[in-house]
Amino acid sequence: EAGVTQFPSHSVIEKGQTVTLRCDPISGHDNLYWYRRVMGKEIKFLLHFVKESKQDESGMPNNRFLAERTGGTYSTLKVQPAELEDSGVYFCASNYGQGRAFFGQGTRLTVV
Amino acid sequence: AQSVTQPDIHITVSEGASLELRCNYSYGATPYLFWYVQSPGQGLQLLLKYFSGDTLVQGIKGFEAEFKRSQSSFNLRKPSVHWSDAAEYFCALANQAGTALIFGKGTTLSVSS
Repeated sequence: EAGVTQFPSHSVIEKGQTVTLRCDPISGHDNLYWYRRVMGKEIKFLLHFVKESKQDESGMPNNRFLAERTGGTYSTLKVQPAELEDSGVYFCASNYGQGRAFFGQGTRLTVV
Repeated sequence: AQSVTQPDIHITVSEGASLELRCNYSYGATPYLFWYVQSPGQGLQLLLKYFSGDTLVQGIKGFEAEFKRSQSSFNLRKPSVHWSDAAEYFCALANQAGTALIFGKGTTLSVSS
């Protein structure tokens, strides 16, 4: 079975630009999570979707970040406008019910 | 507040030697505990998890971890390290299964020949 897939694997953008990250969860997984790891720090939770609904978005840093999961399948995370401190690795994970979470390989975002 | 502490940022172990990675947690009750590994260019892979029951948990790749409530610890161990074990290891907790994880900062393991 295909795993969790994230696009792109790397992105370098200038401060003030917009970037959209995509996550394709494992088919049938109703839970989808976004996490972020800033260099030197721990991996931090951003938000949690159950199907197309936001279950918990307490980790979203500010309103420059917008996550969507239309139709309860893939999810996008848009950063607009990007700031230098947004640089890091963005992970997506999915699971079904209370089952184990599967992680994608991450998107490395660099804002210059 | 819930938190996970991995005291060691970087550890180097000789191939064939034993390994112990430390993890301490702060949580009001018994949390769900996990160890993940990330190899270069790969996603996070679950090594093992503890929910309840036997406090010694067996995982994949020959790893095990022991939950010690009195010490608020969940240390990861392996009796004999292989060069392919070189990676970054993360301890994490959740307040229930299927919910968001709280991670430690990770421990990078290097294996010397």
